[in-house]
Amino acid sequence: GQQVMQIPQYQHVQEGEDFTTYCNSSTTLSNIQWYKQRPGGHPVFLIQLVKSGEVKKQKRLTFQFGEAKKNSSLHITATQTTDVGTYFCAGAGGNTPLVFGKGTRLSVIA
Amino acid sequence: KAGVTQTPRYLIKTRGQQVTLSCSPISGHRSVSWYQQTPGQGLQFLFEYFSETQRNKGNFPGRFSGRQFSNSRSEMNVSTLELGDSALYLCASSLGGQGSGNTIYFGEGSWLTVV
Repeated sequence: GQQVMQIPQYQHVQEGEDFTTYCNSSTTLSNIQWYKQRPGGHPVFLIQLVKSGEVKKQKRLTFQFGEAKKNSSLHITATQTTDVGTYFCAGAGGNTPLVFGKGTRLSVIA
Repeated sequence: KAGVTQTPRYLIKTRGQQVTLSCSPISGHRSVSWYQQTPGQGLQFLFEYFSETQRNKGNFPGRFSGRQFSNSRSEMNVSTLELGDSALYLCASSLGGQGSGNTIYFGEGSWLTVV
């Protein structure tokens, strides 16, 4: 079945450094979604990418969807302590349910 | 409008017992999905219900079951609990079904500890 791999599993950065997490699917996706889960909280929807090569920005966050619609990335510029949490990508293929990557846990050292 | 509501938030059960978790989706949402989250396995899909019908099912044993009512509220049940069932159980609702590009909105989850 469809698998979504996400790397790295953990990332520790100094406040102000950049951060990137990568997501790869074993199959072509119809769309990819990104979620953030704060420690002790629940996943919260960030964004959805649908088009091949799509790039979307939310303030310091930049999301990309690969040309082949099999990979995606989330880049955070100049991390802040409020960025701490686990970032999940979730891929959708046709009418199948979302498949989540295992997430990247981001720690930001002030 | 109110978000996804899950009850109970925390519970402790003994091995062999059964448990029922409840989820009220966002008003107007017809799809409810359930996920199990553990530190080692991440978010694992259990099942999805849409208009009272199970649309998709994940790779979990038959001890895990669910249902959806006419008002879109959903319950999931785990019978004959095992220690490995200790996890955060998340409910997520969406306007349409999963896979159709709909955003899913998670509840705060039910923390289940099996002792």
